[in-house]
Amino acid sequence: ILNVEQSPQSLHVQEGDSTNFTCSFPSSNFYALHWYRWETAKSPEALFVMTLNGDEKKKGRISATLNTKEGYSYLYIKGSQPEDSATYLCAVITQGGSEKLVFGKGTKLTVNP
Amino acid sequence: EADIYQTPRYLVIGTGKKITLECSQTMGHDKMYWYQQDPGMELHLIHYSYGVNSTEKGDLSSESTVSRIRTEHFPLTLESARPSHTSQYLCASSGGIGGYTFGSGTRLTVV
Repeated sequence: ILNVEQSPQSLHVQEGDSTNFTCSFPSSNFYALHWYRWETAKSPEALFVMTLNGDEKKKGRISATLNTKEGYSYLYIKGSQPEDSATYLCAVITQGGSEKLVFGKGTKLTVNP
Repeated sequence: EADIYQTPRYLVIGTGKKITLECSQTMGHDKMYWYQQDPGMELHLIHYSYGVNSTEKGDLSSESTVSRIRTEHFPLTLESARPSHTSQYLCASSGGIGGYTFGSGTRLTVV
């Protein structure tokens, strides 16, 4: 069974701080990695879909990198704002996994004003 | 503006009742999914469909059933609800490489 690990489980930062968190996964049979942002009382929202080793994606102050050979992805938030407070989910699809996402438990980020 | 709709948002129901959680999408996506999430745990796939009349069980065993008679509609049914079914249920769809689109979820409590 594919195991996707996210760390830390939760994180509290001050407004303006930059932060990052990690998603680890088995490197064998990797196909794609997704990052989602899930605000309380809302639907999870897709941030990035990454497939290639060395991929870097950016959306405003949020960026992500992917290392498929060692099995990890980093999500970075530059200059955190209170509206960045959410749970950030990582999910992986494996080759032969029929496009089914396997999720980690998420990292809950709280940005204090 | 949601393109995938789940109803109800919250449901409290007695043991033994039959329930149906509704999920509809307006994007014409072929692939649809149901995930279950218990507090503090990962989202676990319980059902998926790759098109009309196609349904498969996911990685987490579930007593629920699903149907896909129309592309836009993917309801989940529990014939006899039990307290162990108390959880959050999320519906999602995908149309390609752009990631999944999720509904707002249904929080089910069986008393």
